Amino acid sequence: NAGVTQTPKFQVLKTGQSMTLQCAQDMNHNSMYWYRQDPGMGLRLIYYSASEGTTDKGEVPNGYNVSRLNKREFSLRLESAAPSQTSVYFCASIPRPLKLAGGPTDTQYFGPGTRLTVL
Amino acid sequence: AQKVTQAQTEISVVEKEDVTLDCVYETRDTTYYLFWYKQPPSGELVFLIRRNSFDEQNEISGRYSWNFQKSTSSFNFTITASQVVDSAVYFCALSESPGGGADGLTFGKGTHLIIQP
Repeated sequence: NAGVTQTPKFQVLKTGQSMTLQCAQDMNHNSMYWYRQDPGMGLRLIYYSASEGTTDKGEVPNGYNVSRLNKREFSLRLESAAPSQTSVYFCASIPRPLKLAGGPTDTQYFGPGTRLTVL
Repeated sequence: AQKVTQAQTEISVVEKEDVTLDCVYETRDTTYYLFWYKQPPSGELVFLIRRNSFDEQNEISGRYSWNFQKSTSSFNFTITASQVVDSAVYFCALSESPGGGADGLTFGKGTHLIIQP
């Protein structure tokens, strides 16, 4: 049981290059999320997927696309990277369907993060 | 719109001192959920606690305690007898849906806590 995993851990891109950040969870979680963390900004939601086959925009979706490939995997793609996308990216998932998630430990569980630098 | 304010950008205390991290939130919903996460220097996010708006009981877990006051829209976090290992960035977060919601968590900007030996 590896929890939420992200690859790669570090990446350096040149402006205009594309790449895909991978996220997978082995806990049979339903909902998955992508956040970015910038210095002094906390975390901001980019996209989320409430269930397999569905995705929705969060607070800062511009410049990104996502794919919920199956229940385990939720990828984030940068089609044409820009320096403003330099950030730490976190993937998260939640154990139970949202309508059932009322317990004290029902929360989002985060991956280790991907540190992305765009030059 | 939701908002979480952590006014303390950085706090530095000497080991064994007590320290309180402030969190003030704004939401229009009558039912909402509050969270605290810890981010140690290694970078991962560690879940500490979740509190539902309809449960105003304070929580104590070892050296950690949380004071939830709806009247002042605050959810403060106190570490008693701080230790160097408590050094981290602490985030308060809010959601209008259980478990972090359909639209994710709204995070504060974090408080960097430094515990000096």
